[in-house]
Amino acid sequence: GESVGLHLPTLSVQEGDNSIINCAYSNSASDYFIWYKQESGKGPQFIIDIRSNMDKRQGQRVTVLLNKTVKHLSLQIAATQPGDSAVYFCAENRGGTYKYIFGTGTRLKVLA
Amino acid sequence: DTEVTQTPKHLVMGMTNKKSLKCEQHMGHRAMYWYKQKAKKPPELMFVYSYEKLSINESVPSRFSPECPNSSLLNLHLHALQPEDSALYLCASSQAGLTEAFFGQGTRLTVV
Repeated sequence: GESVGLHLPTLSVQEGDNSIINCAYSNSASDYFIWYKQESGKGPQFIIDIRSNMDKRQGQRVTVLLNKTVKHLSLQIAATQPGDSAVYFCAENRGGTYKYIFGTGTRLKVLA
Repeated sequence: DTEVTQTPKHLVMGMTNKKSLKCEQHMGHRAMYWYKQKAKKPPELMFVYSYEKLSINESVPSRFSPECPNSSLLNLHLHALQPEDSALYLCASSQAGLTEAFFGQGTRLTVV
């Protein structure tokens, strides 16, 4: 069925390195994507979003890339810090339906 | 103010109890959401209110009853829950369907 999923459940990176978290989606009608960060015991925190008419969007230390041809979304974190350790979810929204569907999540572990 | 406030933070209830979860936002958002999140899983959409009307019910059992008293408040009434309903219940709000949803910190519910 339709799904938003991630390739890697856990990603370990050295402090200072760049991190890349991937997400695959199956519904070509999805037109808005969000990356959330969730720390233990807290609610998801918005990181960055991208609309389907864009390929790339940059924020502070984060970049989201969207490849609509292969239905793939990625989150790049530059100079990963210990505070980046968390679970990262991609979420999709379809046609402004108020329905945000979350992917399975990737745990990012930053090694000192 | 970009906060979504949820109360209580923790709740333990028996299977015969009736309790309510509360959510409040003052960002002027017209859509409000309830999500359920089990451990190590992504948030799952339960209900969406748009302009104070229930617009999405993801086939949630009737022991969960949402209520939107006004544009800033969202409640989730609980009755006759089962132990498997124990989870983190997250409230969120958004301005529209193609904008980010802001999440509260959640209510950790334990049904005994």
